[in-house]
Amino acid sequence: GQNIDQPTEMTATEGAIVQINCTYQTSGFNGLFWYQQHAGEAPTFLSYNVLDGLEEKGRFSSFLSRSKGYSYLLLKELQMKDSASYLCASSDSNYQLIWGAGTKLIIKP
Amino acid sequence: ETGVTQTPRHLVMGMTNKKSLKCEQHLGHNAMYWYKQSAKKPLELMFVYNFKEQTENNSVPSRFSPECPNSSHLFLHLHTLQPEDSALYLCASSQEGDRAPYEQYFGPGTRLTVT
Repeated sequence: GQNIDQPTEMTATEGAIVQINCTYQTSGFNGLFWYQQHAGEAPTFLSYNVLDGLEEKGRFSSFLSRSKGYSYLLLKELQMKDSASYLCASSDSNYQLIWGAGTKLIIKP
Repeated sequence: ETGVTQTPRHLVMGMTNKKSLKCEQHLGHNAMYWYKQSAKKPLELMFVYNFKEQTENNSVPSRFSPECPNSSHLFLHLHTLQPEDSALYLCASSQEGDRAPYEQYFGPGTRLTVT
C-alpha cells in the first residue's frame, strides 16, 4: 500500500536546528514535497525533491533518499515564526499526492 | 484578489441543511482539488478536476458533490451531512502537465461544523 510516516510533534529551541523525518512507501514514486501550515492557515509549498541529495533554500533544506524511502526537512536558526505543522507528501505514478498527517513543530524561547 | 480564495471561511450547519462551498483561483491554473483535513489526520483528497478529466476518491460519500463550471471556479455541494464530516475543507489549484507533479497552491479553507 501507500503510506507516509512522520512524527506527530517535535519541540525545539529558538536559534537551534531541527530535523523532521518522513518515510514513505509510494507506488511509482515521482518526488517528495514539504509544505508548511500555520494554525488556521493554508499549507504553503516549501520544497520538492525528486533526485537523491540535499536541496538548500535559505534556512530550510530538504533531503531525499529514494532507495531508503526517506526524506527530511532541516530547519536552521529557528525562529518563533517557524512554529507550524510541516506536511510531507509523496507523488505517485498518477502524480497524485499522498500526504502524511503532519509534524507539529513547537519552538520555545 | 490573488491566489486561491474560499468562501465561506466558517460554516455551521445542521444535518438536514444544504450548503455549498466556493473556491476561486486567480493563478491561471488548469487543475483544482478539494481536500478534507481532520485533526491529526493526513489530508484526504476528495476530488480533482484537471484539463483531462474529473477524478474522485471512491471513499467520498455521495452527500458531497463537486461542481467545476470552468477552470477558475470549484464548488462543493453539501447535503444531509453527518457530525463526522466536521473538518477543514481545503481547495487547491496547480498547473498540471503530462510530466512531473507541480506544487499545489491552497486556499485558506472553510472550517465546517455539522451539528
